[in-house]
Amino acid sequence: SQTIHQWPATLVQPVGSPLSLECTVEGTSNPNLYWYRQAAGRGLQLLFYSVGIGQISSEVPQNLSASRPQDRQFILSSKKLLLSDSGFYLCAWSLAGGSLGTQYFGPGTRLTVL
Amino acid sequence: EDKVVQSPLSLVVHEGDTVTLNCSYEVTNFRSLLWYKQEKKAPTFLFMLTSSGIEKKSGRLSSILDKKELSSILNITATQTGDSAIYLCAGVTQGGSEKLVFGKGTKLTVNP
Repeated sequence: SQTIHQWPATLVQPVGSPLSLECTVEGTSNPNLYWYRQAAGRGLQLLFYSVGIGQISSEVPQNLSASRPQDRQFILSSKKLLLSDSGFYLCAWSLAGGSLGTQYFGPGTRLTVL
Repeated sequence: EDKVVQSPLSLVVHEGDTVTLNCSYEVTNFRSLLWYKQEKKAPTFLFMLTSSGIEKKSGRLSSILDKKELSSILNITATQTGDSAIYLCAGVTQGGSEKLVFGKGTKLTVNP
């Protein structure tokens, strides 16, 4: 069966510091991968998605970036965090070309920028 | 712009009550509609709906899609305190990679 991992689970960072969040998927090959942010009182906002190694699409212009160095690894980064980057970050995967869009979510990282 | 609207935004009921959660969508190249339950952490998948009028059921939860009205409902019968959660609805757009457009969710609180 497929499993998705995210770490760290929680993170408190000062404004201006760098960020690296990691997501890995087990039990499937060539998944589509997604990064979402959920701010308090708001819905899930799609940040990035990837259909393959090195292929990243950005949905929202911001100071975040994403990379996919391996098939089942997805990384969210920032060089300098802003207060507005605080939120709950979720990684998700779906079957490439199938499942009619159903995505499965990791446990999430709660980021607080002070 | 694609959008999904859920109502009500919050709901408080007593154990044993039946609830109906609503979702309306305007999604280009619509492919499917998904329902998720989110407790403290990650959303967990409940239903995927693609065809109008066909009910999906899992225990006390059921859902149906109305493509003519661009809407869906999620019913929960005989609610339990464990049903307390945020219920998210998402429209799936068809494309190179299916993308989900989420509503803001309905926060359901079931009191004993």
